[in-house]
Amino acid sequence: GAGVSQTPSNKVTEKGKYVELRCDPISGHTALYWYRQSLGQGPEFLIYFQGTGAADDSGLPNDRFFAVRPEGSVSTLKIQRTERGDSAVYLCASSFGTSGSNEQFFGPGTRLTVL
Amino acid sequence: AQSVSQHNHHVILSEAASLELGCNYSYGGTVNLFWYVQYPGQHLQLLLKYFSGDPLVKGIKGFEAEFIKSKFSFNLRKPSVQWSDTAEYFCAVNEGSNYKLTFGKGTLLTVNP
Repeated sequence: GAGVSQTPSNKVTEKGKYVELRCDPISGHTALYWYRQSLGQGPEFLIYFQGTGAADDSGLPNDRFFAVRPEGSVSTLKIQRTERGDSAVYLCASSFGTSGSNEQFFGPGTRLTVL
Repeated sequence: AQSVSQHNHHVILSEAASLELGCNYSYGGTVNLFWYVQYPGQHLQLLLKYFSGDPLVKGIKGFEAEFIKSKFSFNLRKPSVQWSDTAEYFCAVNEGSNYKLTFGKGTLLTVNP
């Protein structure tokens, strides 16, 4: 595809359940980022991948959150034992290279609702 | 930690009015500055960015922004807004070569026809 895609677009789950959110970056983009946007806030950084490895996971709120990118392309954000406070829009972005001035291209997001 | 402040939560204008949205950041070193826009039902997209050179940068759709280092500001401007500019606007910053973006809370712009 031409842009970053994310699936599902919406996910409703119950407190305590496990969820996986998928991101498919722009072809050829080596850098991939996950952000979380809560209601009324701007996106907040979660984790960054360069290739297959998580180069910076300092934004992950706790050990219930984990992300992988096994082949250096598609990434999955995994949330265990979901809590109501995890409800937010989860955004994925990708860029060609990791220079700070490179544009990050954002996907449409996955809206997660934890009941 | 760096922070970004967008002082206007919601701005309402009539078509043809001039626009200025404020953005201030806290980091004192080398920064890259961005304005992203999110139109209703669409994803975030880049309007313009500054990383070096001329502090007055021009972006898409007639938008421009001026980096004033002494004021730690990067305000977004447009001389004459259109109804189609209705959207949420986010200012973002990262430090030098750092990829990690810090966003402001956003400003919702409503343009009435």
